[in-house]
Amino acid sequence: EVQLVESGGGLVQPGGSLRLSCAASGFTVGNSYMSWVRQAPGKGLEWVSVIYGGGSTYYADSVKGRFTISRDSSKNTLYLQMNSLTTDDTAVYYCVRGGHRSGWFDYWGQGTLVTVSS
Amino acid sequence: DEVLTQSPLSLAVTLGQPASISCRSNQSLVYSDGNIYLNWFQQRPGQSPRRLIYKVSNRDSGVPDRFSGSGSDTDFTLKISRVEADDVGVYYCMQGTHWWTFGQGTKVEIK
Repeated sequence: EVQLVESGGGLVQPGGSLRLSCAASGFTVGNSYMSWVRQAPGKGLEWVSVIYGGGSTYYADSVKGRFTISRDSSKNTLYLQMNSLTTDDTAVYYCVRGGHRSGWFDYWGQGTLVTVSS
Repeated sequence: DEVLTQSPLSLAVTLGQPASISCRSNQSLVYSDGNIYLNWFQQRPGQSPRRLIYKVSNRDSGVPDRFSGSGSDTDFTLKISRVEADDVGVYYCMQGTHWWTFGQGTKVEIK
């Protein structure tokens, strides 16, 4: 059974950093397409970043240069390093599996809340 | 940039009655491999999104056959044949042809 469990969210001041983790089970992160999608309070869904099975990474313009997606195959875990955070980054961050073969985004984690506030 | 426009943004439906949500894109969603990467997600209150439909009309495992997707090129529709109380939530369309973007969401409630 596929499971995705995010952690690492919390309260951080503007300009601060945070690293989110997504522990996966039931499949191998190292050869899967994995994404982060976020949802600001009361708002819709916004794609943030993706890492392809081959390792290529891509980012939304809103986070480019500040966020870094990575993975640790030995821990079967996905990460999102977030730097220079602003209040606009306040959101629930979801870890999402799935590439083009599965039609994109077939499994979602429960999300972790990041609050950027002074 | 790829933009998805959903309508209506809110829908109140009587139990047992059908419901329909439209999703329109500002450009063709046919990918170079011939597929159309248009999905539908359901987000119940307090829960994570759940994929219902992928590549326009393919139902995910465990999704009731009351849900169906259709459409082509730039116009797509999600239909619920008979709305149940369990269907309350927000429904999003999403395209994966030109990077990944979501519609604004349609809130479905029971009348």
